[in-house]
Amino acid sequence: EDQVTQSPEALRLQEGESSSLNCSYTVSGLRGLFWYRQDPGKGPEFLFTLYSAGEEKEKERLKATLTKKESFLHITAPKPEDSATYLCAVKVHQGAQKLVFGQGTRLTINP
Amino acid sequence: DVKVTQSSRYLVKRTGEKVFLECVQDMDHENMFWYRQDPGLGLRLIYFSYDVKMKEKGDIPEGYSVSREKKERFSLILESASTNQTSMYLCASSIRGLRYSNQPQHFGDGTRLSIL
Repeated sequence: EDQVTQSPEALRLQEGESSSLNCSYTVSGLRGLFWYRQDPGKGPEFLFTLYSAGEEKEKERLKATLTKKESFLHITAPKPEDSATYLCAVKVHQGAQKLVFGQGTRLTINP
Repeated sequence: DVKVTQSSRYLVKRTGEKVFLECVQDMDHENMFWYRQDPGLGLRLIYFSYDVKMKEKGDIPEGYSVSREKKERFSLILESASTNQTSMYLCASSIRGLRYSNQPQHFGDGTRLSIL
């Protein structure tokens, strides 16, 4: 069974304290990995797509990386506005659009 | 920017009622999706559609049906609402793209549905 596990479930950081969120997956065949940000009361907002091991993508204070078994979302010098739930999802079948989501990491940045 | 609009942010219905949730996207996307999101369970796919009048079951289709009569609109129907269908419902859309491309799904802001 295809599974996506995110850790930790929740993370509290001080403003400026860098850290990483983990997304590990056991799937039959990875066809793409997606990171989303979700604010309370809102739908997920797309951040990145990663296709193959070794790939990296950056956006402001966020950097996503991918290996054969996991992805990391690195947050450098975070600010309070980076507080949100971060979701990871994988596409497992070529041509199909179905995504398997992890349960998310709830990130809180204290000023 | 892609805009996915869900007709209601909050909805309260009674057990046994037939409930309609509406979703409209403005980017001419071929693919549309309905998810529910519950604490501890994450996002789970209910139904999706590749094209007008096309539909495919997701992981948890029981108790739901869908309708896609126009490309921009995808409706989720709870045939006879039950309390275990109280949840946040999220609609998403994506462009079909090339067979080997990975187009992201874009989400609406959700409908929080309570069944009493």
